[in-house]
Amino acid sequence: NAGVTQTPKFQVLKTGQSMTLQCAQDMNHEYMSWYRQDPGMGLRLIHYSVGAGITDQGEVPNGYNVSRSTTEDFPLRLLSAAPSQTSVYFCASRNRGFNEKLFFGSGTQLSVL
Amino acid sequence: SQQGEEDPQALSIQEGENATMNCSYKTSINNLQWYRQNSGRGLVHLILIRSNEREKHSGRLRVTLDTSKKSSSLLITASRAADTASYFCATDTQGGSEKLVFGKGTKLTVNP
Repeated sequence: NAGVTQTPKFQVLKTGQSMTLQCAQDMNHEYMSWYRQDPGMGLRLIHYSVGAGITDQGEVPNGYNVSRSTTEDFPLRLLSAAPSQTSVYFCASRNRGFNEKLFFGSGTQLSVL
Repeated sequence: SQQGEEDPQALSIQEGENATMNCSYKTSINNLQWYRQNSGRGLVHLILIRSNEREKHSGRLRVTLDTSKKSSSLLITASRAADTASYFCATDTQGGSEKLVFGKGTKLTVNP
């Protein structure tokens, strides 16, 4: 199993550009989530999904869109990138339930100039 | 706002010493989890402790949970240079959604 795969690993955008960060998992996990990690701020939840067709907002959802059309994929869209979105983004997945651990991807480092 | 807060923010010890990190949270939880992050990598799950458990062990790791104080501690015994990493606690919210919220982490440096 590949686990959680994120692409790309690095990306540089100009302010106002749009892009999609890809996340795929092959563990048949229903729960998927996106976090951003900034120095001194830890990980902050952006959006999460408990199954295909179901998404919900986390702590910092503004400026980001998500959709979940399949169990395997959970893309994160930046519609109009801003310098404040410069960060490292992590996708994570797990089985449904309150006592399940998260499996993380290796991250995408995004710079918005 | 973030649910968990780790303390201290940074910790530097010598190899062989024990390392203790603390996590405080705000609301009632179903469980508390600890994760480790090596520099530039994704997080890796270490241990999960349920709200009805008080202590749990896994190898050199010992986790305690005090729900009355809304706090947890992670003890790494006989630390090694390879334990150098950032450590995060994560919690859900009892009666809430399944989302996991992380704290800001403790950066541990183990000097050889």
